[in-house]
Amino acid sequence: RKEVEQDPGPFNVPEGATVAFNCTYSNSASQSFFWYRQDCRKEPKLLMSVYSSGNEDGRFTAQLNRASQYISLLIRDSKLSDSATYLCVGHNAGNMLTFGGGTRLMVKP
Amino acid sequence: DAGVIQSPRHEVTEMGQEVTLRCKPISGHNSLFWYRQTMMRGLELLIYFNNNVPIDDSGMPEDRFSAKMPNASFSTLKIQPSEPRDSAVYFCASTWTKNQPQHFGDGTRLSIL
Repeated sequence: RKEVEQDPGPFNVPEGATVAFNCTYSNSASQSFFWYRQDCRKEPKLLMSVYSSGNEDGRFTAQLNRASQYISLLIRDSKLSDSATYLCVGHNAGNMLTFGGGTRLMVKP
Repeated sequence: DAGVIQSPRHEVTEMGQEVTLRCKPISGHNSLFWYRQTMMRGLELLIYFNNNVPIDDSGMPEDRFSAKMPNASFSTLKIQPSEPRDSAVYFCASTWTKNQPQHFGDGTRLSIL
């Protein structure tokens, strides 16, 4: 079992829709979590950190659920430019940050 | 500020050749990571350096792969001899400590024929 798991998708949504991704992690001692965005043929870029209390940045909201060991990313009023792969990051058993396989989002007109 | 700088951006070579990928981390960052990304396996950590010292190389696929960090501003990943299955995008990333968000370079697209 992978230590950080994501549904690969793709999630196909219309413009303006709200979409949410979950990411499960197996290391209950994980302290740091992040969401990255990766565009086609580009490098991953940090989208936002995930705090215990949850955090919001514009149309993006990240949540952490320690009891069920998952983090989530909610995108409201999705734009065509949100189309990308979203990677979650947590810790593996060796306390190294490890990336999930990514969830692909396609926003259509 | 300059980000993580990788070279070359693209490399096409024949199997059996030696390949050297280069990385300059962000100035002041103490941790450097080499990743490989393929469609099948996603983003895989190959090796992690802290203060120029290799800390975790458990992700290095085999002896054909080696990595060095002779100083705080330069690292290399070498494949010798290269094989077609090494074709992938290789990313270098750096950060202040291993638990902080990593900043990625543009990557090197490697094709081994």
